[in-house]
Amino acid sequence: DAGVIQSPRHEVTEMGQEVTLRCKPISGHNSLFWYRQTMMRGLELLIYFNNNVPIDDSGMPEDRFSAKMPNASFSTLKIQPSEPRDSAVYFCASSLDLGARTEAFFGQGTRLTVV
Amino acid sequence: AQSVTQLGSHVSVSEGALVLLRCNYSSSVPPYLFWYVQYPNQGLQLLLKYTSAATLVKGINGFEAEFKKSETSFHLTKPSAHMSDAAEYFCAVSVNDMRFGAGTRLTVKP
Repeated sequence: DAGVIQSPRHEVTEMGQEVTLRCKPISGHNSLFWYRQTMMRGLELLIYFNNNVPIDDSGMPEDRFSAKMPNASFSTLKIQPSEPRDSAVYFCASSLDLGARTEAFFGQGTRLTVV
Repeated sequence: AQSVTQLGSHVSVSEGALVLLRCNYSSSVPPYLFWYVQYPNQGLQLLLKYTSAATLVKGINGFEAEFKKSETSFHLTKPSAHMSDAAEYFCAVSVNDMRFGAGTRLTVKP
């Protein structure tokens, strides 16, 4: 298996533009997580899905952020409009299921720079 | 809600010396605990996990961690540091979702 695949690896955009980050989880994994990593705040859980259904989005910072999972093999995280403070590395992770025993497998991340 | 606290944002050791990275957890239910490693410009990779089968857990690259309920700790150790161990290390606790500590950056001096 190729692991969790994220695209793009790097994104540079201007303030006010819409940004869409993409994730393909590991085949057979039922849970998907979006994290944001910054120097100031570390690794923050934004939202997670189970069986394509959003379970907890309490980590999404503002209404400008939205996430979807239209099917088991694809998820998007959208920021509209983007702001410079959204600059961070965004990670997608997947696991077999929700539940404490199952570890999360991470993608390589998308480094977002908003100028 | 569950959480973890990593003591020390930066640890520096000499090559061949003991590595000790500290993690304390808080959880209202019996926790499952994990250590991940992140190399520059990479995602996180699992080092080891505790799922209540044994309190001493062995992971990859010679790392191990011991679950101590009385101390609510899950410290990561390696007897002899190697240059290639230089990275950022994250402790995590899981109930339904996985919550991470702030991370500890390990530097290994030659």
